[in-house]
Amino acid sequence: GQQLNQSPQSMFIQEGEDVSMNCTSSSIFNTWLWYKQDPGEGPVLLIALYKAGELTSNGRLTAQFGITRKDSFLNISASIPSDVGIYFCAGQVYNTPLVFGKGTRLSVIA
Amino acid sequence: NAGVTQTPKFQVLKTGQSMTLQCAQDMNHNSMYWYRQDPGMGLRLIYYSASEGTTDKGEVPNGYNVSRLNKREFSLRLESAAPSQTSVYFCASSRDINYGYTFGSGTRLTVV
Repeated sequence: GQQLNQSPQSMFIQEGEDVSMNCTSSSIFNTWLWYKQDPGEGPVLLIALYKAGELTSNGRLTAQFGITRKDSFLNISASIPSDVGIYFCAGQVYNTPLVFGKGTRLSVIA
Repeated sequence: NAGVTQTPKFQVLKTGQSMTLQCAQDMNHNSMYWYRQDPGMGLRLIYYSASEGTTDKGEVPNGYNVSRLNKREFSLRLESAAPSQTSVYFCASSRDINYGYTFGSGTRLTVV
């Protein structure tokens, strides 16, 4: 089946630093999404991307849908303590369920 | 609005016991899903229901059954629990299968 390779697996950063994570696949996707999971909660949608090459921002978050449709990245600028959590990428082919990456665990050191 | 509600939040089962995880959404969504989350494995799809009256297997369906009771409710049943089913289970729903999901807060299940 389709698999997403998400990297890095974990990150430890200082407060105020920028963060970058990415997701790659050998398959083409029609949609890329990024979710964040806080401890003890379900994932929450951060950004959805629907077109190859699309660059979308949501506050300090910026995500891009790769031109090849096989990858996506998420950047977080000027990290703050509440950015701590697990970030998941997800890809979708039309009319099939989302496929999730294994997640990037972000820790922020104040 | 409550969004997606899962019950129970925590459960401990003995090997061989059965139980049903309940999920309900109040957003009039057509599609519903069950995922399990294990350390280092991300979210893996167990079963999904693209619309009321339909259910389909996901990546890891063995040992589970589902029922789409009505548009609001989608339950997951473990007929004979095994330690390998110890996990956190998430229910999600979406307007239809091509839209982003809203997740519940999860059920943490331990099988001993």
